[in-house]
Amino acid sequence: KAGVTQTPRYLIKTRGQQVTLSCSPISGHRSVSWYQQTPGQGLQFLFEYFSETQRNKGNFPGRFSGRQFSNSRSEMNVSTLELGDSALYLCASNFGTSGNEQFFGPGTRLTVL
Amino acid sequence: KNEVEQSPQNLTAQEGEFITINCSYSVGISALHWLQQHPGGGIVSLFMLSSGKKKHGRLIATINIQEKHSSLHITASHPRDSAVYICAAYSGGGADGLTFGKGTHLIIQP
Repeated sequence: KAGVTQTPRYLIKTRGQQVTLSCSPISGHRSVSWYQQTPGQGLQFLFEYFSETQRNKGNFPGRFSGRQFSNSRSEMNVSTLELGDSALYLCASNFGTSGNEQFFGPGTRLTVL
Repeated sequence: KNEVEQSPQNLTAQEGEFITINCSYSVGISALHWLQQHPGGGIVSLFMLSSGKKKHGRLIATINIQEKHSSLHITASHPRDSAVYICAAYSGGGADGLTFGKGTHLIIQP
């Protein structure tokens, strides 16, 4: 059974640009959550999608957005990139809610110059 | 908003030692996760607990709901256990996803 995949794995952008990251969940999983990990703040919850609907959103500015498609694949977008957006972005999928076992992807490492 | 605290932040031990990592949270939860992260970033889910105790091989996780506290134990530690261990709390009921501790950086020396 294939695991969670994320593309791209590494990305370098400059301030002011926008970026789109992709996450393909494990087959059969309908819930996808996104997290940001930085050395200073650790892991922080961005948003959670279930059956194409955003179910929860963390405390991030509106520049961070996401969506989920009918095949459960999810994308997140960050517009007007800032230096502080440099981070490892992880997605995780599960059967139902964040109370279930989370299966994490390898992450996308974003560097903003 | 749930606050999740982990201790210790860093731990260095000798191979074979018994390891304990602690996690406390401020608000009642419906589930607590223990995660392992190796260098390079990959995260693996070790346990998901809502009560009591779970054991997988040399790893044991316990949770005390009344005291809002969970522990992760590693018996007969091995250098391959060296990683960052992170606890994460889920309040449930449409709350804000997972709230994470800052992690415990564990190094097991041979």
